[in-house]
Amino acid sequence: EAEVAQSPRYKITEKSQAVAFWCDPISGHATLYWYRQILGQGPELLVQFQDESVVDDSQLPKDRFSAERLKGVDSTLKIQPAELGDSAMYLCASRGWDSYNEQFFGPGTRLTVL
Amino acid sequence: AQKITQTQPGMFVQEKEAVTLDCTYDTSDQSYGLFWYKQPSSGEMIFLIYQGSYDEQNATEGRYSLNFQKARKSANLVISASQLGDSAMYFCAISINFGKGTSLLVTP
Repeated sequence: EAEVAQSPRYKITEKSQAVAFWCDPISGHATLYWYRQILGQGPELLVQFQDESVVDDSQLPKDRFSAERLKGVDSTLKIQPAELGDSAMYLCASRGWDSYNEQFFGPGTRLTVL
Repeated sequence: AQKITQTQPGMFVQEKEAVTLDCTYDTSDQSYGLFWYKQPSSGEMIFLIYQGSYDEQNATEGRYSLNFQKARKSANLVISASQLGDSAMYFCAISINFGKGTSLLVTP
């Protein structure tokens, strides 16, 4: 069964360092999402791509976060510099034109900033 | 903008019993889809069930069913015959908007 891949699964870094997360969506899925989930909360959208284009990045802290999906397939989310408040789960999801248009989520990257 | 409200931060249920997780929402869209996801402690979000706003029948998927009341903007998830493996966080969502979730603990 096709799955969304994410790496790394866990990342520990010190504040002010740069971190990067990678996501490979299900093959053929044009829509890709990055979410941030703080412990005890629901996921919050950071950025949405349609193919290689950004559809929504209104909640992305652009002074330190960047996201790209250059060829419209896999995607990278970067934080530079990381802050203590960035500690969270970062979830990637993709969506195709399935019967329900549901999002398929990857296993997530759990980031801890010390 | 859409808003999802899940008022139950935590729920307990005994194994083999049924449990209802509440979800209310606010949207100005005429056509929308409601989703429920399960998130075990491992962190992955697992799609459970979908209800379209124009679907006349409540959605069912195995032990999961939706009590959808469109006029009240309510879409409660019912889990029948609870199992220990159902212990997890449960999230209600419309599109990219998620509620804060309900933590369900199933006890023997």
